Amino acid sequence: DVKVTQSSRYLVKRTGEKVFLECVQDMDHENMFWYRQDPGLGLRLIYFSYDVKMKEKGDIPEGYSVSREKKERFSLILESASTNQTSMYLCASSLPTNRGSGNTIYFGEGSWLTVV
Amino acid sequence: GDSVTQMEGPVTLSEEACLTINCTYTATGYPSLFWYVQYPGEGLQLLLKATKADDKGSNKGFEATYRKETTSFHLEKGSVQVSDSAVYFCALSDWGAQKLVFGQGTRLTINP
Repeated sequence: DVKVTQSSRYLVKRTGEKVFLECVQDMDHENMFWYRQDPGLGLRLIYFSYDVKMKEKGDIPEGYSVSREKKERFSLILESASTNQTSMYLCASSLPTNRGSGNTIYFGEGSWLTVV
Repeated sequence: GDSVTQMEGPVTLSEEACLTINCTYTATGYPSLFWYVQYPGEGLQLLLKATKADDKGSNKGFEATYRKETTSFHLEKGSVQVSDSAVYFCALSDWGAQKLVFGQGTRLTINP
């Protein structure tokens, strides 16, 4: 089974703090994603990466950055946390479409971040 | 751009009732379509998928058929159980794209 592991399930941070959310996958997937989930808005893509050191902005990248130094690890960084970044963050991974995966994306259990 | 629209929730049903959650999409290419489920306190799990028109995805008694003519992928189950209570997300991935576009989610509650 594919395993996507997010290091922290629940975090409480103060406004202005730098926050790191870590994600590791064990299936040698090229693609990794960070989504944000908010009630009534569904999941919105923050950033994704299709290879080591490669990244692309998603729909809502403002206020976030990412790091992909190793294939299995994808970090989401909030440079200066704000209260409107209080949310559930979901990491995911997949094979690329040309590997016949049908784009099935596998998710971690999520990280609940509260910024006070 | 690509988009997915799901029926508004929350949906509350009694055990053994029939379920339909509507999903329609807009895409420029030939998308693959997915239903994901999120149980309380957990991440998303793939429930079923269909990769081309007229394909039917099925899993755990749930079914959805890819209808290109109506751009729909409605989720159905003939007899729901309390354990089906969750949030259901419809999603698409356009051919060649590496990412999913999600609907807003539908919360389903099944009462005994």
